[in-house]
Amino acid sequence: QVQLQESGPELVKPSETLSLTCAVSGGSISNYYWSWIRQSPGKGLDWIGYIYYTGRTTYNPSLRSRVSISVDTSKSKFSLKLSSVTAADTAVYFCARCDDYVIKDWGQGTLVTVSS
Amino acid sequence: QSALTQPASVSGSPGQSITISCTGTSSDVGGYNYVSWYQQHPGKAPKLMIYGVSNRPSGVSYRFSGSKSGNTASLTISGLQAEDEADYYCGSYTNSNTLMFGGGTKLTVL
Repeated sequence: QVQLQESGPELVKPSETLSLTCAVSGGSISNYYWSWIRQSPGKGLDWIGYIYYTGRTTYNPSLRSRVSISVDTSKSKFSLKLSSVTAADTAVYFCARCDDYVIKDWGQGTLVTVSS
Repeated sequence: QSALTQPASVSGSPGQSITISCTGTSSDVGGYNYVSWYQQHPGKAPKLMIYGVSNRPSGVSYRFSGSKSGNTASLTISGLQAEDEADYYCGSYTNSNTLMFGGGTKLTVL
């Protein structure tokens, strides 16, 4: 079972860009999709997007204009950038491994707060 | 894309069975056998319980089962136990090559 660990700033100012990285260990980053999912406090899961190890991306249409996901296979990491953030982007952000359109492994999640 | 529709809450007594529904459209739940279910305890990451509509990952109790009819998928938990109290989310692949989740259902074991 692969392990995933999110890292990045816990506090981001409004209008700035949220940046997170997910380190993958215990398995290969190849041949899978890697996803970001968020959960606002007290709310449900919100799928942000995923990236295939080759770099091909698909994003949630509601976030497509502000989101970018990239992968660095040499470092077994993938990253999320979300621009022009507002308080509505405050959430726990999970990175995850996706196989056959199923989220099979999850990181522990990291709370990112958008506030000045 | 709108979230899949789940009841906000369900409850049952220990030993009973409960079913949680997940309603989508022919563009997601009804169109593909890529429906999955996740269990989330407070403060924890979700855990995969069912994938491919009705398949259980290794280590998941046989008490958890999944099914689908038309645009509605269902998760059934039999022999309810206190440890089953959690939030449950369904997920589905869509015809836009995206994933989407249901709004979540809070299961209370009375």
